[in-house]
Amino acid sequence: DTAVSQTPKYLVTQMGNDKSIKCEQNLGHDTMYWYKQDSKKFLKIMFSYNNKELIINETVPNRFSPKSPDKAHLNLHINSLELGDSAVYFCASSQTDTSGNTIYFGEGSWLTVV
Amino acid sequence: QKEVEQNSGPLSVPEGAIASLNCTYSDRGSQSFFWYRQYSGKSPELIMFIYSNGDKEDGRFTAQLNKASQYVSLLIRDSQPSDSATYLCAVNTGGSYIPTFGRGTSLIVHP
Repeated sequence: DTAVSQTPKYLVTQMGNDKSIKCEQNLGHDTMYWYKQDSKKFLKIMFSYNNKELIINETVPNRFSPKSPDKAHLNLHINSLELGDSAVYFCASSQTDTSGNTIYFGEGSWLTVV
Repeated sequence: QKEVEQNSGPLSVPEGAIASLNCTYSDRGSQSFFWYRQYSGKSPELIMFIYSNGDKEDGRFTAQLNKASQYVSLLIRDSQPSDSATYLCAVNTGGSYIPTFGRGTSLIVHP
């Protein structure tokens, strides 16, 4: 039973389109994240949601918007896709009151903008 | 700006050798330190974490933390070809629960 699941796994789309990536966690964690991993493998935080409240938003273009209907789901919506948005997007979750705040990642969504 | 630095590699070691992966961080307030492993085309997975100065062992893996020198390392004993992956160091500072990741070190274990 997958702990953090995200869909779709692969997405190829044209510039200018709008797309969404869905994420669900069944670990009962209170915090969810979206990370972007570029072609150089750098893993960068995009958003963090804690108890349905946006806690941090790094310098991400406002074309990206996280939506959390409940604490088990954190979806990522992207408007007006650009070539530079091509990357792997990882959803993740953690329980912040446990020691260390270990991050559990989903399998990733490979986005290619053409 | 909080930074976590790793040598991108690749680090190449023969099978059976000890692989040593290093990570330095800039924020002296950092409190929690993690090592993740990422196979090509897969997501990162936690290997181990460490909070206190010194060594922490888990099977073939040993994490070493030196807060005074602001570095954390991961030793892999008896390296196997299956250990070939990218190893990501992550650091939590005292002011944030969100870890900052390094760029990762690529490890290649050759038979």
